[in-house]
Amino acid sequence: SAVISQKPSRDICQRGTSLTIQCQVDSQVTMMFWYRQQPGQSLTLIATANQGSEATYESGFVIDKFPISRPNLTFSTLTVSNMSPEDSSIYLCSADRSSYNEQFFGPGTRLTVL
Amino acid sequence: GENVEQHPSTLSVQEGDSAVIKCTYSDSASNYFPWYKQELGKGPQLIIDIRSNVGEKKDQRIAVTLNKTAKHFSLHITETQPEDSAVYFCAAKAGGTGRRALTFGSGTRLQVQP
Repeated sequence: SAVISQKPSRDICQRGTSLTIQCQVDSQVTMMFWYRQQPGQSLTLIATANQGSEATYESGFVIDKFPISRPNLTFSTLTVSNMSPEDSSIYLCSADRSSYNEQFFGPGTRLTVL
Repeated sequence: GENVEQHPSTLSVQEGDSAVIKCTYSDSASNYFPWYKQELGKGPQLIIDIRSNVGEKKDQRIAVTLNKTAKHFSLHITETQPEDSAVYFCAAKAGGTGRRALTFGSGTRLQVQP
């Protein structure tokens, strides 16, 4: 399995500010993903972080709101921009290895926007 | 795109009893079906998975079955223990050059009563 860490683990932010979440994998992986999980809900894919190119966003998510970087095969960042209380959620980083399909998750970043 | 439905949304069993959670999927191209356990305050943990060339897979007290014709798969937990209490998510993914991200079911909150 892959070990995935995220920073910060939680944060409380003011409306209108931005927060960048970091995701580090302990080994090189092909695919990295960012999910959002609202309280008591399932996981919703925000985007696929592509190494060396722009992220691929799902319907309802845009780059201006959720810019993503992936500078190498072990690291990615997600920024939540111009935050509002509706952005309060858990943000999860995930990665898989193409050979086996298994997808592993980080512990999540719990974001509260006041 | 893929749609995954999961039932029941909540399940309460007595310790030692069995628990069964069922999922259906819509995309016939899906060929990988993992199950995740999410404990409070943690990221989803992969507990078992099955690929479309296999009908059943077991790992100690946990088993997963897959019926590709009917497009449904199930998680079976035998001899449940209080530490099995968590939210369980099923998911589906297409392999090869298709969409690589997981599509999740809505989750099942399992409560094992001591």
